[in-house]
Amino acid sequence: QKEVEQNSGPLSVPEGAIASLNCTYSDRVSQSFFWYRQYSGKSPELIMSIYSNGDKEDGRFTAQLNKASQYVSLLIRDSQPSDSATYLCAVKSNQFYFGTGTSLTVIP
Amino acid sequence: KAGVTQTPRYLIKTRGQQVTLSCSPISGHRSVSWYQQTPGQGLQFLFEYFSETQRNKGNFPGRFSGRQFSNSRSEMNVSTLELGDSALYLCASSLLPTSGNTEAFFGQGTRLTVV
Repeated sequence: QKEVEQNSGPLSVPEGAIASLNCTYSDRVSQSFFWYRQYSGKSPELIMSIYSNGDKEDGRFTAQLNKASQYVSLLIRDSQPSDSATYLCAVKSNQFYFGTGTSLTVIP
Repeated sequence: KAGVTQTPRYLIKTRGQQVTLSCSPISGHRSVSWYQQTPGQGLQFLFEYFSETQRNKGNFPGRFSGRQFSNSRSEMNVSTLELGDSALYLCASSLLPTSGNTEAFFGQGTRLTVV
């Protein structure tokens, strides 16, 4: 079983809609959770970190964590074409474990 | 504040050769981790260095090695290159070891092509 699982997509949403990205993880001792955005041909860019259960909002982005369900999600409100990228979920225990990413396309 | 700097950006090597990649972390960061990214496997952890000591190692063969210098700059070396080593190699910089509550920031990566 992979440590971090994401739906590979592709996920397509119209401009202005909410994009919902999901991630599950297997290691219950994981303490820190991150979302990275990676544009094609570029390196991952950190967009959100979350450490405790509940929601964390930063601009148009909201990260949600449920440790009991071992589930992390990222909501992108008012999606823009510039949000089109692959989103990587990362979970940290003694090291970082990354999902394979969800490809998001925002259609103008 | 300068970000994470990786050199070179692109490399083409022949099977059997060896290669050395360099990573300079964000100023003040002492932890450097290395990852291999391929389309099929995603981001795979290679190793982590903190204060010149290897703290963690991923599941890669011994051909992959690394080191960290006293100024926190890190190098990774791959010997006897194979075609399957073609990948984007990413370095991530953290203030603390990744066992702590710390964020990791990536460099631009080195694109290695083995022919």
